[in-house]
Amino acid sequence: NAGVMQNPRHLVRRRGQEARLRCSPMKGHSHVYWYRQLPEEGLKFMVYLQKENIIDESGMPKERFSAEFPKEGPSILRIQQVVRGDSAAYFCASSPAGNYGYTFGSGTRLTVV
Amino acid sequence: GDSVTQMEGPVTLSEEAFLTINCTYTATGYPSLFWYVQYPGEGLQLLLKATKADDKGSNKGFEATYRKETTSFHLEKGSVQVSDSAVYFCALSEDQGAQKLVFGQGTRLTINP
Repeated sequence: NAGVMQNPRHLVRRRGQEARLRCSPMKGHSHVYWYRQLPEEGLKFMVYLQKENIIDESGMPKERFSAEFPKEGPSILRIQQVVRGDSAAYFCASSPAGNYGYTFGSGTRLTVV
Repeated sequence: GDSVTQMEGPVTLSEEAFLTINCTYTATGYPSLFWYVQYPGEGLQLLLKATKADDKGSNKGFEATYRKETTSFHLEKGSVQVSDSAVYFCALSEDQGAQKLVFGQGTRLTINP
């Protein structure tokens, strides 16, 4: 049973480009969470999704960031017109319904140059 | 809002030393508490958890006790190994499903042989 799969592991984008980060949850998991980790800081919650629904996006920046979890396929975190301050590690986690302590992926490290 | 404060790092110890990493929290209700560990280049792994006051979480020789009176959840291990070198994160969740975690800033631990 594969764990939470994130790709790419490393992503380099120039300022103004779009970044797309993908997350495939563990088999049987219908809940996906995205967190951002800035250098030398803890993780900050961004968004919580279930299939085709955004449940809580209270941690998402109001502009340029969006997330989806379609009926088929991975969850996508999209960052439009990236800026240097978007450089961070982005972690996805998944869980079955009502579970404590969900499983994290290995993250995507985004570098904006 | 809810918050988690961890002792400042980095922490460097010799093998077989006793480890304590302090964690205190602020929450409006009765949160569940967690310790996660992050090895270099990897995602976070759940180390242990406690869901109510006076519960003790334990795993791989690590322990932490949920102290409501001091709002603390300190991580301890009696004899550390080089393989314990990692970054340790304390976290809390207010909701029953642990759907949104609030993390501390992390404590980097290095164990020297």
